[in-house]
Amino acid sequence: AQSVTQLDSQVPVFEEAPVELRCNYSSSVSVYLFWYVQYPNQGLQLLLKYLSGSTLVKGINGFEAEFNKSQTSFHLRKPSVHISDTAEYFCAVSDHPSGTYKYIFGTGTRLKVLA
Amino acid sequence: KAGVTQTPRYLIKTRGQQVTLSCSPISGHRSVSWYQQTPGQGLQFLFEYFSETQRNKGNFPGRFSGRQFSNSRSEMNVSTLELGDSALYLCASSKSRGPGETQYFGPGTRLLVL
Repeated sequence: AQSVTQLDSQVPVFEEAPVELRCNYSSSVSVYLFWYVQYPNQGLQLLLKYLSGSTLVKGINGFEAEFNKSQTSFHLRKPSVHISDTAEYFCAVSDHPSGTYKYIFGTGTRLKVLA
Repeated sequence: KAGVTQTPRYLIKTRGQQVTLSCSPISGHRSVSWYQQTPGQGLQFLFEYFSETQRNKGNFPGRFSGRQFSNSRSEMNVSTLELGDSALYLCASSKSRGPGETQYFGPGTRLLVL
């Protein structure tokens, strides 16, 4: 079964600084990866996804992620963060053994943007 | 286009009671999945419904059940509530089933069991 590891539970960063949130997944023949953001008291909102093709994926709100098959990573980056980016970020992989489909989520990374 | 809606948004119940949560998917979406989110366990998959049939089930006891109606709306039921069932329950819909299908999440129902 697939698994997802988000090594950093919390990441503090100053406003306008760059940030990288790390995500590693267990290896699989085919992999579909997602990043979601959750603001306080809200559901999850899709930031970006990798299905195939270019390994650099651009998402909403200035975020991007790079799929690295050799390192089984899908790290999320933003060159300059804003206070409004303070939220929890989840990496997920689409698991589909034997025709079943579900997301496996990482444990999340709390991004705290400091003024 | 309206997003995924979940009702109620907040619930307080006592141990031993049962609860029913409702989810209306995005129009045209036929797959509905449910997740439980807690601080300790994170996001855990409960079950998935497609065309009124449960297609996949997570590792939860039989007290957790669900169903899907012909209009794709879904309900989940938890019987004999326990304190540990306190969580945010998230519903997600997608157009179809398949690897890479994007799931769109609702705001969740926050359940507190006293």
